[in-house]
Amino acid sequence: NAGVMQNPRHLVRRRGQEARLRCSPMKGHSHVYWYRQLPEEGLKFMVYLQKENIIDESGMPKERFSAEFPKEGPSILRIQQVVRGDSAAYFCASSPSLAGGQETQYFGPGTRLLVL
Amino acid sequence: AQSVTQLDSHVSVSEGTPVLLRCNYSSSYSPSLFWYVQHPNKGLQLLLKYTSAATLVKGINGFEAEFKKSETSFHLTKPSAHMSDAAEYFCVVSDTQAGTALIFGKGTTLSVSS
Repeated sequence: NAGVMQNPRHLVRRRGQEARLRCSPMKGHSHVYWYRQLPEEGLKFMVYLQKENIIDESGMPKERFSAEFPKEGPSILRIQQVVRGDSAAYFCASSPSLAGGQETQYFGPGTRLLVL
Repeated sequence: AQSVTQLDSHVSVSEGTPVLLRCNYSSSYSPSLFWYVQHPNKGLQLLLKYTSAATLVKGINGFEAEFKKSETSFHLTKPSAHMSDAAEYFCVVSDTQAGTALIFGKGTTLSVSS
């Protein structure tokens, strides 16, 4: 059973470009979470999605960031017009059902975004 | 609101000596608590979790943690450190009432010397 897959593992963008980060949850998992880790910091929650629905986006910046989890295919975190402050590691996690503290979230290896 | 405080940003031990990584939490409800480990440039691996069952939780690689409600603590211990334990460790809380997001501490870097 493959774990959570993320690609690309490393992404370099120039300021103003778009970044697309992909996450395929573990088989059988229908809940996806995105977290951001800034240098020297812990992970910060961004968004929680189920198939075709955004459930909680309280951690998402109000502008330039969006996320989706379509019926088919991976979850996508999209950052438009990237700025240097977007440079970070972005982690995706999945769980089989509503986490609620009971279901463990399993993390992918992360995508390290560098904005030049 | 829930929060997590990891009391040490950096812990250094010698190989074969005990490890203690300290964590205090704040939660309005009955929390679930986790410890995750992150090796350099890698993803996060779950070490152990507490979800209102036994207060002493055993995890992988010889780690364990004890939930102490009176002290609002969830410290991580290991009797004997190994070189491969050198990594970043995160204490994490999840509010079972609110549900979804995990709240991470800032992390403790564990160094192990020979």
